[in-house]
Parts: sequence; C-alpha cells; structure tokens
Amino acid sequence: DAGVIQSPRHEVTEMGQEVTLRCKPISGHNSLFWYRQTMMRGLELLIYFNNNVPIDDSGMPEDRFSAKMPNASFSTLKIQPSEPRDSAVYFCASSSSRGRSNQPQHFGDGTRLSIL
Amino acid sequence: GNSVTQMEGPVTLSEEAFLTINCTYTATGYPSLFWYVQYPGEGLQLLLKATKADDKGSNKGFEATYRKETTSFHLEKGSVQVSDSAVYFCASPANQAGTALIFGKGTTLSVSS
Repeated sequence: DAGVIQSPRHEVTEMGQEVTLRCKPISGHNSLFWYRQTMMRGLELLIYFNNNVPIDDSGMPEDRFSAKMPNASFSTLKIQPSEPRDSAVYFCASSSSRGRSNQPQHFGDGTRLSIL
Repeated sequence: GNSVTQMEGPVTLSEEAFLTINCTYTATGYPSLFWYVQYPGEGLQLLLKATKADDKGSNKGFEATYRKETTSFHLEKGSVQVSDSAVYFCASPANQAGTALIFGKGTTLSVSS
C-alpha cells in the first residue's frame, strides 16, 4: 500500500524565494497534519485538516506560511518569502480519525528544506 | 491541553542490554498513548500504542504499559540490537476534542555491537 507521499525530498533555495511543499495522504484518511522538525524545537505541529478543512493553524509560525488542502488527496505548505530560519525537515502525516483521537498517524519521509 | 514528557537522551547501550525510556503524561481523562520511532532519514513510524489504562502495547520486542496511577507509559525492551538505533517519541492526543497528537522531544538511542 502506498504511504504518505511527500515531494520534493530535498529543497535548497535562496532566501526570499517561494517554497511549496506537497503531500499526498493515504487514500481514505480524512485527517492531514503538517509538522516541522528541528534540532532546537523538536517536532512542532504547524496545522491540521479534517475532511479538507483547516481545524487548527495555531502552530503556523507567521503569515509567510500558508497551507491548503483543495481535495482529499492533496495538500500544500507554502512559504513566501522564505528565510534561513525556516530550514528544517517538514513532515506530512495522515490518519483516519473517524472522530476519535486514538487513531495513529502515518508519516511521510519528509522534505528537508535548506534556505541559504 | 494534554502534555507528554520523556527522558532526554542520548541513550547509549551495548547490544543485548536492557532498555527503558521514560514517558509521563498529563491529561484530562485517559487518552490513548503512543510510541513512535524515527530511523535516520525517515519519517516517524508507529511502534506501539495503548488505548486505555492497564493496556500493554507491544511490537518488535518493545513493550509499554499504560499506568494511570503513575501517569506513565515507559518504553522497554529486554535485549536491544544495533538496528534499534533511532529516535523514539512518546505521544498522546493534544486534547479530548481533537485528533492532533502532541509529541515528546524525542530520545535518541544508540546501540553498539
């Protein structure tokens, strides 16, 4: 079975450029999560969607970050303009919530982002 | 909201040693508890879970028991292998209402032969 698919796996770009990260959740999963992982802060939840609707975006660092989920099989996380402090590994995860909080999340392999 | 606290690493062990990684939680009610593992260059994978008090989750030789009296969910393995070297995360739902998880800071385990 295909897991959560993220692209690109690696992204290196210059400060000020727009960056778009992509995620395809597991088919049939109705919750999708974006995380950021750094050495300093560990794993931080940025935003999550339930049935394509953003439920909690309180973890989004600032207005430069935006996320969309136009349909059940695709989501994007965009950073514009990017800054060196945005360098991190960004993970997408999905789960089948069925309205309950005991369902595990399935993670993609992440996008390693480096802003020069 | 809920929170989890896990012991900081790194933990360095020799092959076949006994492993314990401590995790405690604060929560309203009795949420499900999870252990995830992250191998180098990969995303997190669910290792085991327990959905109610006194449950024991187990997988790949790892075990954790949900203890409500001590609000703990410690991860144990009787004999670690070099291939167990990874980062381990304890997690629980962030609150009663939502589906988001809150993760501990992670504990790095290094096993040498």
